[in-house]
Amino acid sequence: DGGITQSPKYLFRKEGQNVTLSCEQNLNHDAMYWYRQDPGQGLRLIYYSQIVNDFQKGDIAEGYSVSREKKESFPLTVTSAQKNPTAFYLCASSMGGRFRVQPQHFGDGTRLSIL
Amino acid sequence: GEDVEQSLFLSVREGDSSVINCTYTDSSSTYLYWYKQEPGAGLQLLTYIFSNMDMKQDQRLTVLLNKKDKHLSLRIADTQTGDSAIYFCAESIRNSGNTPLVFGKGTRLSVIA
Repeated sequence: DGGITQSPKYLFRKEGQNVTLSCEQNLNHDAMYWYRQDPGQGLRLIYYSQIVNDFQKGDIAEGYSVSREKKESFPLTVTSAQKNPTAFYLCASSMGGRFRVQPQHFGDGTRLSIL
Repeated sequence: GEDVEQSLFLSVREGDSSVINCTYTDSSSTYLYWYKQEPGAGLQLLTYIFSNMDMKQDQRLTVLLNKKDKHLSLRIADTQTGDSAIYFCAESIRNSGNTPLVFGKGTRLSVIA
């Protein structure tokens, strides 16, 4: 079945540690996105990538890094510079730019907590 | 600027209709979306409407768009306990390309049996 797979579902980070969240899609979508969700908040955009080997910062990129070496993969690294990383992280993807409607499809999320 | 506002909570009785409201500020919005999020899960696309439409119906869901007032609503007919979730309104402000959506903070719908 086509979809977006995020792993792991739960992740724990120690102080000073970098951790990487995985996001893989087999929908052949060009664009991929990372959002952070905190309780009572909407989704806040961290980074997005419209095409392989290119990505842009979102509203809250500080303390995070990404790479887009393959079309199907868009991993997110939460660095030690991110002082408040505890949140629910959601990955999404959408089709290429020649299509007018661009609904985003989401994975099931990764919940990151601090040890 | 881009901003999407929603009320945070809504409680309805099973069998009644639910109406979830959303306002947005960017008049250049092209598509508007409704997503549903169940506990511990990602967002599920429910429906979307193009900004030149007034209404869209899909089974129990009816979307109404008042472009003049920048007001969007989602009506769920015959609300069931399985409809309990957080509902997000989102807007797309460009006509093409993969620009990110702007999301509201979500409305938590509680259905009372």
